[in-house]
Amino acid sequence: GAVVSQHPSWVICKSGTSVKIECRSLDFQATTMFWYRQFPKQSLMLMATSNEGSKATYEQGVEKDKFLINHASLTLSTLTVTSAHPEDSSFYTCSARGGGGRGSGEAFFGQGTRLTVV
Amino acid sequence: QKEVEQDPGPLSVPEGAIVSLNCTYSNSAFQYFMWYRQYSRKGPELLMYTYSSGNKEDGRFTAQVDKSSKYISLFIRDSQPSDSATYLCAMRGGGADGLTFGKGTHLIIQP
Repeated sequence: GAVVSQHPSWVICKSGTSVKIECRSLDFQATTMFWYRQFPKQSLMLMATSNEGSKATYEQGVEKDKFLINHASLTLSTLTVTSAHPEDSSFYTCSARGGGGRGSGEAFFGQGTRLTVV
Repeated sequence: QKEVEQDPGPLSVPEGAIVSLNCTYSNSAFQYFMWYRQYSRKGPELLMYTYSSGNKEDGRFTAQVDKSSKYISLFIRDSQPSDSATYLCAMRGGGADGLTFGKGTHLIIQP
């Protein structure tokens, strides 16, 4: 399958600070990228969908001013958790889907980022 | 009722057994059905992708979709200890781009 790289794989930050997570499609151009969050013993929940060059579409209940998404190129999307609080501690994972050729069709996931806010 | 129901397990079977995993769903607009495997602290890995009803086989894995019953299954033949992981069903449709996931079933293959 196509390769999606996510960085960092884990991060610990202090309450009130901001954290940026990167998601890169390594061998295809990702026209659409998705960000998911997973709390313990819960399903992966879609947070937002972003298309290259346009604003992200956020799911109901997800604060767009808190979770800033930038999809500035066809191979990179970033999620910034601003003013993080302990309740934001979770597993965040991105997925990417291409518009044609390698990586098209279904979305491929990055390895995820474990965020802990202390 | 949640959109996608999946028994979280754990499901423990001996090595070599046939494993049956399944999900039920309520949204009749879902048309694309996927199974992902997720190891601890890792992102999901796509195993099977099926469009609409029917069967699909890939090596030791078989995916089945029954849209009339809103029921999907994943079968694993000749199970191996390395198959031990959490298996997530996911689906999309009705114009939505993102996936709706089940909670995942924790599978343990005993050597």
